[in-house]
Formats: sequence, structure tokens, C-alpha cells
Amino acid sequence: GAVVSQHPSWVICKSGTSVKIECRSLDFQATTMFWYRQFPKQSLMLMATSNEGSKATYEQGVEKDKFLINHASLTLSTLTVTSAHPEDSSFYICSASPLTMYSSPLHFGNGTRLTVT
Amino acid sequence: DAKTTQPTSMDCAEGRAANLPCNHSTISGNEYVYWYRQIHSQGPQYIIHGLKNNETNEMASLIITEDRKSSTLILPHATLRDTAVYYCIVRAVQGAQKLVFGQGTRLTINP
Repeated sequence: GAVVSQHPSWVICKSGTSVKIECRSLDFQATTMFWYRQFPKQSLMLMATSNEGSKATYEQGVEKDKFLINHASLTLSTLTVTSAHPEDSSFYICSASPLTMYSSPLHFGNGTRLTVT
Repeated sequence: DAKTTQPTSMDCAEGRAANLPCNHSTISGNEYVYWYRQIHSQGPQYIIHGLKNNETNEMASLIITEDRKSSTLILPHATLRDTAVYYCIVRAVQGAQKLVFGQGTRLTINP
């Protein structure tokens, strides 16, 4: 159980275009989902906390107008990279945990590799 | 900032037990110790977590010292597929529940 699915697994886009990444909890509901970014040979960096029905909370240094997050339901959060540039090329990973389980671990999607040309 | 300290890398022979240490000397009473691993180009995989008692599941064992300032993840019979980066993370029981990743330990299992 506790499966988190991300789509797409990889995407290549041209500079200046926007890309949407989906994160779904397949067998549980999640009020909160988290978005991370990982550059080569580095650890995961938390970008933002996605809250169902309300605005996302962004970490310091992350541009909220560039990385749009929508959490419209208890099983789906989306991250849109707007006006993508080559420096946005990275591995984007989402995570979530079941709604009501105390201390339940976060489960992660398999990530989306974004390449901006 | 990450609140744990781990060795940068470790090696272990296939079939032997892999013992990965983690220091979390500033852990507070409402924080669990979580272990995840990340195999190249995949999302992190949950391994195990604990508060103060030792824990065991089908993947690993977690030994937490009595003062809770350090812990050890044990993979009892390491295989080549256990080669990964292992992250030890402390996480509050309440609140935002986010995970803050440190640099982790790159574990290499050698044949």
C-alpha cells in the first residue's frame, strides 16, 4: 500500500515553455504533499508544501510564481514549471503520507526528470 | 537544516551485515528517526522508523541508543541491490511532517 505515482517520468521541453508534473496518491488520501528537487550528485531539497484546498507554502528561495502548485483534491497535486529555462533542468520528486495516520512515513513518487533545452 | 550526521560513504561485502550509523544528538522528544534509501534515478524508498525502541521489519533493523542521540540501521544480509544512498532523518510527530534530507551515506555493496 501507500503508493505515490508521478507523471511523466521524464520530459524534455524548450526554453520558455511550461511543464506540468502530476503527483497522485493511488491508495490513500493526503491533505499535504511535498515537492522536492534534486540536482545531480546532490541531496533532495524541499521546494514547497502542497496543501489541499489552500495555497502552497514555499521554502525560502523558491519562486512561487515560477513553480505553481495546485492541490485540488486529496489525491492529486500538480507542479507547473513556468517559463522553463535550462537551469530548471532537474529531478523533481513528490511525496505524501496517509491523511490520518500518526507518524506515518512519507512515501515518494519515482520522480520526473525535466530537461530544458 | 538537516539534524543528522552520517558518514559520506561505506563499503560492505555481499552477504555480510551492513551497519549504517547516524548521529542525531539534538533530537527532541517528539521526533522520530526515519531511514530512507535512494537508488540511482529513483525516488526515495522508506525503510524503517522508530521513536525510542529498536525496530525490525522485512527490510532492516533499527537500533536506537538509550539516550536517542544516535542510531544504527542494519541490513542483515546485504545484496548488490542494496547499493544506494541511505538517509537518516529526524522528523517531528506533529506539525508540518516534512522530511529534510542531509547528504546521506553512499553504501556500496561489493561482490
